[in-house]
Amino acid sequence: GEDVEQSLFLSVREGDSSVINCTYTDSSSTYLYWYKQEPGAGLQLLTYIFSNMDMKQDQRLTVLLNKKDKHLSLRIADTQTGDSAIYFCAESFRYNTDKLIFGTGTRLQVFP
Amino acid sequence: EPEVTQTPSHQVTQMGQEVILRCVPISNHLYFYWYRQILGQKVEFLVSFYNNEISEKSEIFDDQFSVERPDGSNFTLKIRSTKLEDSAMYFCASSEGSTKIETQYFGPGTRLLVL
Repeated sequence: GEDVEQSLFLSVREGDSSVINCTYTDSSSTYLYWYKQEPGAGLQLLTYIFSNMDMKQDQRLTVLLNKKDKHLSLRIADTQTGDSAIYFCAESFRYNTDKLIFGTGTRLQVFP
Repeated sequence: EPEVTQTPSHQVTQMGQEVILRCVPISNHLYFYWYRQILGQKVEFLVSFYNNEISEKSEIFDDQFSVERPDGSNFTLKIRSTKLEDSAMYFCASSEGSTKIETQYFGPGTRLLVL
């Protein structure tokens, strides 16, 4: 079945790198996404990676995909206090179903 | 940059009442979605809508729920007789539905509280 898991909390110092991890069970995903949710706000799409890629870099964000281990990570370089939020990974299976399957979310706390 | 909008931002209702949550998807998008997030839980898929009909729905989307695209811009979710457990944040999303990446763009959500 489809299941996506993340660690619940991550705390980092401002200026350090953050690495948020995600594991998934269904290897038939087409795209994997990272969404950011700030307090009281909606889901902001940060970045995505096609399932046949290993890495994608987008400014301060680096996404790594290990298909063998079904592991996805999001690295945020030079983490700022404004990066404090909940980060969700999500899978899509575009050719089989419309829905996104979301992870549990990781709350990132950045302290000065 | 175009964005998905939702109204109202907050809604409080009595159990058993009907509520309608409204969404304006991005204008050239063809696929529309509703998700919900019960406090402290995962974001869950409810329903997808394409070409004026439901494309897919989850087991949560029972007969109490309905969706409609009443005109060329709005997309609504109706809950006929609300229950306490319907209290959640409801997110609308839309995607292009073309050969491009089917990225779903989310609105800011409507927080529904059923008393």
